[in-house]
Amino acid sequence: NAGVTQTPKFQVLKTGQSMTLQCAQDMNHNSMYWYRQDPGMGLRLIYYSASEGTTDKGEVPNGYNVSRLNKREFSLRLESAAPSQTSVYFCASSPGPVSYEQYFGPGTRLTVT
Amino acid sequence: AQTVTQSQPEMSVQEAETVTLSCTYDTSESDYYLFWYKQPPSRQMILVIRQEAYKQQNATENRFSVNFQKAAKSFSLKISDSQLGDAAMYFCAYRSAMIQGAQKLVFGQGTRLTINP
Repeated sequence: NAGVTQTPKFQVLKTGQSMTLQCAQDMNHNSMYWYRQDPGMGLRLIYYSASEGTTDKGEVPNGYNVSRLNKREFSLRLESAAPSQTSVYFCASSPGPVSYEQYFGPGTRLTVT
Repeated sequence: AQTVTQSQPEMSVQEAETVTLSCTYDTSESDYYLFWYKQPPSRQMILVIRQEAYKQQNATENRFSVNFQKAAKSFSLKISDSQLGDAAMYFCAYRSAMIQGAQKLVFGQGTRLTINP
């Protein structure tokens, strides 16, 4: 039981390049989330998926798109990376949208130069 | 919109002593949940303790306890008998109990806790 896994762990992009961050969970959870963490700040919600087939914007969605590929997988895409998107990205999942706890992945450190 | 404030960017404590981390929040809702998460250098986010706003009793998990003051909108974390493994960044977080807002965890800025041997 791996919990929430994220790939890659580290990535460096040039401005304007695109990439997709992958997230998968093996806990049969319905809800999944993407957060970003910037220095000196807590995590901020980018997008979430309350259940398979649905996605909604969070607090900071600009510049990102998401896909809930199936119940296990929830990807985050940067179409044209900008230096302001340099951050650590966390994926999380929970049994349902009103569940107490969200279970977090190990994070991806992304640098955009 | 809800906000969470942690006014102590850094704290330090001697091993085996007790330390209290502060958190205040702002909300107009009456039903919500509050959490403390620990983030060690590995970056993994680990839930330490949670408190339901409708419960008057303060939550306790082993050496970790909270002081929840609903009227003052204050939610502090007390760590007793501090251990070297407690060294981490600690985040206070808020979540609405309403279904419409239940998905969003609102985090404070974090407090870096150092344990001195």
